[in-house]
Amino acid sequence: GAVVSQHPSWVICKSGTSVKIECRSLDFQATTMFWYRQFPKQSLMLMATSNEGSKATYEQGVEKDKFLINHASLTLSTLTVTSAHPEDSSFYICSGPDTRGGYTFGSGTRLTVV
Amino acid sequence: AQSVTQLDSQVPVFEEAPVELRCNYSSSVSVYLFWYVQYPNQGLQLLLKYLSGSTLVKGINGFEAEFNKSQTSFHLRKPSVHISDTAEYFCAVSPPGGSNYKLTFGKGTLLTVNP
Repeated sequence: GAVVSQHPSWVICKSGTSVKIECRSLDFQATTMFWYRQFPKQSLMLMATSNEGSKATYEQGVEKDKFLINHASLTLSTLTVTSAHPEDSSFYICSGPDTRGGYTFGSGTRLTVV
Repeated sequence: AQSVTQLDSQVPVFEEAPVELRCNYSSSVSVYLFWYVQYPNQGLQLLLKYLSGSTLVKGINGFEAEFNKSQTSFHLRKPSVHISDTAEYFCAVSPPGGSNYKLTFGKGTLLTVNP
């Protein structure tokens, strides 16, 4: 149980375009989801916490207007990278709470902006 | 505030040797502790977690970890590693009380198992 499905697994986009990443909880309902960014050979950096039916909570230094988070239902949270630039290229991972006090992670999205 | 220190950024070992990946944490309150494994270009997979109870926690793939409150440590061990254990390992902490609290990760330890 507690499976999170993240799509797409990889995406290449042109500079200036927007990219949407979806994170779905398949067998549980999530009022909260977490979005992380991971640079090569580094740890995960929490970007924001999405809250179903309300605004996301962003970590300090994360641009709210660039990284739009929507949590419209209890099973879907999305991260949209707007006007993407090469420096936004990274590995993005979502996470949701499982039912046993832990966290389950999506398989990640490799974004490359060219 | 909480923090996690993984003392070794890289640990090379030979196949079938034992391994210990070290993790220390800092917190003013009690914590939940986790170890995750990440294979290249993949998400994180939970190896094991400590929420309460027995301080020796057994996880998947033959891994175990021991919570030591006095030393604020949660070291990960495996008695005999395989080539397939080569991956990045992350230690993480969260406040107790539910999964709506964010995880704080260590910087990771790259375990490389050589034949």
